[in-house]
Amino acid sequence: DTAVSQTPKYLVTQMGNDKSIKCEQNLGHDTMYWYKQDSKKFLKIMFSYNNKELIINETVPNRFSPKSPDKAHLNLHINSLELGDSAVYFCASSLLYEQYFGPGTRLTVT
Amino acid sequence: GENVEQHPSTLSVQEGDSAVIKCTYSDSASNYFPWYKQELGKGPQLIIDIRSNVGEKKDQRIAVTLNKTAKHFSLHITETQPEDSAVYFCAAGYGNKLVFGAGTILRVKS
Repeated sequence: DTAVSQTPKYLVTQMGNDKSIKCEQNLGHDTMYWYKQDSKKFLKIMFSYNNKELIINETVPNRFSPKSPDKAHLNLHINSLELGDSAVYFCASSLLYEQYFGPGTRLTVT
Repeated sequence: GENVEQHPSTLSVQEGDSAVIKCTYSDSASNYFPWYKQELGKGPQLIIDIRSNVGEKKDQRIAVTLNKTAKHFSLHITETQPEDSAVYFCAAGYGNKLVFGAGTILRVKS
């Protein structure tokens, strides 16, 4: 009965490939997020969706495209992966202010 | 935009001592200030938060104080235990957007 879940937990791929990360929350929250945590542990928001609508879109390369099929799911698709995309990607969700994070997906681009 | 500075970057304390982590923020519009604990290989976990209409909040061994005038907020952990060892992040924001501090590595020595 995990609240916010992500798949896969680890993703190793080569430069130039396209990959997706999936996120699901069973908390009944309306808002979902994608964060990137770099090697120095710095955590930065990338996108936020509220009821399937994009509400936050930070300065992220357009190779990153979020998709929300319903308010319980928010997927992240990344095209033409680059070495600098290597990081841990966290999904989160919230009803009001409190954000709850998933376990993360460690992406390694070689 | 919002900018959050967090100090210290690392903190070592003896078991049973208190630990204090401080953050400053730049945007006076920010009205929500959560603190997260991140253990190795896991997602950030919300441990306590405070809204701008409150000056202090306590939950067992942890407390948060907020000084809106000075744009400072702090996390206080009393009677530290080895399981408190983790990376702690402060954040500031309004609405759905949070900006995180760079994190503090807390080590509790037994």
